[in-house]
Amino acid sequence: NAGVTQTPKFQVLKTGQSMTLQCAQDMNHEYMSWYRQDPGMGLRLIHYSVGAGITDQGEVPNGYNVSRSTTEDFPLRLLSAAPSQTSVYFCASRGRQNTEAFFGQGTRLTVV
Amino acid sequence: AQKVTQAQTEISVVEKEDVTLDCVYETRDTTYYLFWYKQPPSGELVFLIRRNSFDEQNEISGRYSWNFQKSTSSFNFTITASQVVDSAVYFCALSGLGQGAQKLVFGQGTRLTINP
Repeated sequence: NAGVTQTPKFQVLKTGQSMTLQCAQDMNHEYMSWYRQDPGMGLRLIHYSVGAGITDQGEVPNGYNVSRSTTEDFPLRLLSAAPSQTSVYFCASRGRQNTEAFFGQGTRLTVV
Repeated sequence: AQKVTQAQTEISVVEKEDVTLDCVYETRDTTYYLFWYKQPPSGELVFLIRRNSFDEQNEISGRYSWNFQKSTSSFNFTITASQVVDSAVYFCALSGLGQGAQKLVFGQGTRLTINP
């Protein structure tokens, strides 16, 4: 099993550009989430999903969209990138049996 | 609202010393989970432990031990005989149960440096 796979690992965007961060898991987990990590602030929840077709906002959702058309995939979209979105992004998945969350390797995004 | 506080931003010790990382949490839930994750310099997040709120038994795993005290809302992590490979950022996190289980609330992290 690959676990949670995030692509790309690194990305540089210009202000105003759009892009999609990809996240896929092969563990048949119902729950998936996106977090951003900023220095001194730990990880903060952006959006999450409890199953295909169901998404909800986390603590810092502004500027991001998500969808969950399949159990496996949970892409994060930046419609118009801003320098404040420079961060490291982590995708996580978790099974319904409340096991620990499994994290992807992270995507380091820089918006210039 | 849930909150996790790791008051120690950075800790630096000499190899073989014991070190304790503090974690204090706030929640109105009566049942919840607490976690510790390690983030080594390579950047990935490594799961260390999950503790249920209804299980206050302390846990030891090799050189690692965890002290969970509901009375003080603390879940501290001790590394005994620290090694250079323990150098990392450590995060304490909290979640609810059920569908709330996949909404993790993280502390700010403690950067631990073990000097040879």
